[in-house]
Amino acid sequence: GENVEQHPSTLSVQEGDSAVIKCTYSDSASNYFPWYKQELGKRPQLIIDIRSNVGEKKDQRIAVTLNKTAKHFSLHITETQPEDSAVYFCAALGGSSNTGKLIFGQGTTLQVKP
Amino acid sequence: DAGVIQSPRHEVTEMGQEVTLRCKPISGHDYLFWYRQTMMRGLELLIYFNNNVPIDDSGMPEDRFSAKMPNASFSTLKIQPSEPRDSAVYFCASSYGGLVDTQYFGPGTRLTVL
Repeated sequence: GENVEQHPSTLSVQEGDSAVIKCTYSDSASNYFPWYKQELGKRPQLIIDIRSNVGEKKDQRIAVTLNKTAKHFSLHITETQPEDSAVYFCAALGGSSNTGKLIFGQGTTLQVKP
Repeated sequence: DAGVIQSPRHEVTEMGQEVTLRCKPISGHDYLFWYRQTMMRGLELLIYFNNNVPIDDSGMPEDRFSAKMPNASFSTLKIQPSEPRDSAVYFCASSYGGLVDTQYFGPGTRLTVL
């Protein structure tokens, strides 16, 4: 089955700097890669996703890149702000789009220092 | 819409007792997911339903766990008997477009088994 590895486990940056979180997956058939943000004590919320037919996707200060050959994808946050501090989870859809399931990485705790 | 609703928000019980967690998905969503979150194991998918039918329950840890979805607006996750290692936050999530669509998480149930 699918396996997702996420690095780093913790990341501390200065406000205004960029942050990059990387994930690798094992199932070459995986075709959907969402990223979820979870603030302390809150529920996970989708912030961006990418499908396998696209190499990059941007939404304001957030971007995700996908390298299918190397089976890795990354989250890029530019101009970080204190409110970006949270745990970020990557995920990959293993199996088919109809009967697979999302496998989550272990999470990255991002701290943005003011 | 009120979003995904879960009850109770907190549950403290003693080992050996039966625990029932409840979830009401967003109206119109035909996929429902149950997740468990712990520090050690991260976010794990336990089971998910499509149109009230269980599709994948391979994440259910053992026979002590069971889940039902008697109709489109209600699902339960039951643990009987409960054990201290079941202590975790249990999230319910729902989506409209299936596995390749945004999953909207509920606020979670924090379960403590003494």
